Amino acid sequence: DAKTTQPPSMDCAEGRAANLPCNHSTISGNEYVYWYRQIHSQGPQYIIHGLKNNETNEMASLIITEDRKSSTLILPHATLRDTAVYYCIASNTDKLIFGTGTRLQVFP
Amino acid sequence: GAGVSQSPSNKVTEKGKDVELRCDPISGHTALYWYRQSLGQGLEFLIYFQGNSAPDKSGLPSDRFSAERTGGSVSTLTIQRTQQEDSAVYLCASSLAGHGRNSPLHFGNGTRLTVT
Repeated sequence: DAKTTQPPSMDCAEGRAANLPCNHSTISGNEYVYWYRQIHSQGPQYIIHGLKNNETNEMASLIITEDRKSSTLILPHATLRDTAVYYCIASNTDKLIFGTGTRLQVFP
Repeated sequence: GAGVSQSPSNKVTEKGKDVELRCDPISGHTALYWYRQSLGQGLEFLIYFQGNSAPDKSGLPSDRFSAERTGGSVSTLTIQRTQQEDSAVYLCASSLAGHGRNSPLHFGNGTRLTVT
């Protein structure tokens, strides 16, 4: 799996868009970009994934640069319940390894 | 439908005792994963199954740890002669086909193990 780099922490005001960056400059052509999050005291939750094209679902949008070396997870209208650790993973293998992620704090 | 179910949700045991942790994956999911998370730490991969086979056991911390999966469904993680450093939340996840096959993981809420 390609190494990913994320900022250790970010803040976001409630109701604003949260844009979480991820760098994966060594990603290979068949590695997907996955995002998960872990809210305190719960198991991780799958958010979204993509290969080349931008993706959107009911939770978030994923923007992948054309060269695929970085991506951004967008939570369009952050709420207090979005406070969590967000993990970006670039992978094409069954063995899934989590890094340290970005701790997003949404404040009122 | 039903998600990944783990039992018990909490387990307190004395040092030296054996424990069994159970995971019921989402029905039809062929891949099953075990992780653990110590207090304030990240997720540590332990083992994963494709069907009843475990292609990768590299994350098991010692030979006191073992896991099995029967019938391609329920899995049990067993820790023998528990030590205090085994205290952690043990998380199970399942995937329709395996993470490498464009198939994300769905996690349970874990078993919190405390070894006294």
